[in-house]
Amino acid sequence: AQKVTQAQTEISVVEKEDVTLDCVYETRDTTYYLFWYKQPPSGELVFLIRRNSFDEQNEISGRYSWNFQKSTSSFNFTITASQVVDSAVYFCALVHGSGNTGKLIFGQGTTLQVKP
Amino acid sequence: NAGVTQTPKFRVLKTGQSMTLLCAQDMNHEYMYWYRQDPGMGLRLIHYSVGEGTTAKGEVPDGYNVSRLKKQNFLLGLESAAPSQTSVYFCASSRPGTGATEAFFGQGTRLTVV
Repeated sequence: AQKVTQAQTEISVVEKEDVTLDCVYETRDTTYYLFWYKQPPSGELVFLIRRNSFDEQNEISGRYSWNFQKSTSSFNFTITASQVVDSAVYFCALVHGSGNTGKLIFGQGTTLQVKP
Repeated sequence: NAGVTQTPKFRVLKTGQSMTLLCAQDMNHEYMYWYRQDPGMGLRLIHYSVGEGTTAKGEVPDGYNVSRLKKQNFLLGLESAAPSQTSVYFCASSRPGTGATEAFFGQGTRLTVV
């Protein structure tokens, strides 16, 4: 079965703290793609990153970084020096299979609140 | 830069009423999707389409129908609304590519069935 688990339902931090959002996935396919989306209070979903199963390099984009570890089936997301504008719901998602049609399997989401 | 546009943004229905949600994309994407978002459950796929004239069931298709008569439009229909269909509905589109490509989402439709 294909599944994405985000065990942290809600996280609250104070501005400038670092925070890590966990994502654990399950799939039997050797080819798969992992995504993170951000849903700010305005409601739309904003794409953050895509990773394929053959590329385990970690990625950094400004204050955002992602740690992909196939050995633990995890794709964690870290925000360094958090800001109030980072407050949102964050979703981890999976697309599995080489012949896929882009269907996303979402985790339950983690609500991040950054307090000033 | 319209991207993916959903109509309407909000709607209240009475149990048993019908309605159609319209999704339009201007990116010439082949793939289109309808998801529903419920508290604590993330987004779940209702139906999807890989091209004009084709549709397929997703994870939670019961109570919904879809049509893709034109490439740019994907319609989601509720024939007889039920309170369990109270949710936020998102349409998305993406293009085929090497692997899975980024999906672009509409702004969502908040539907309440009373």
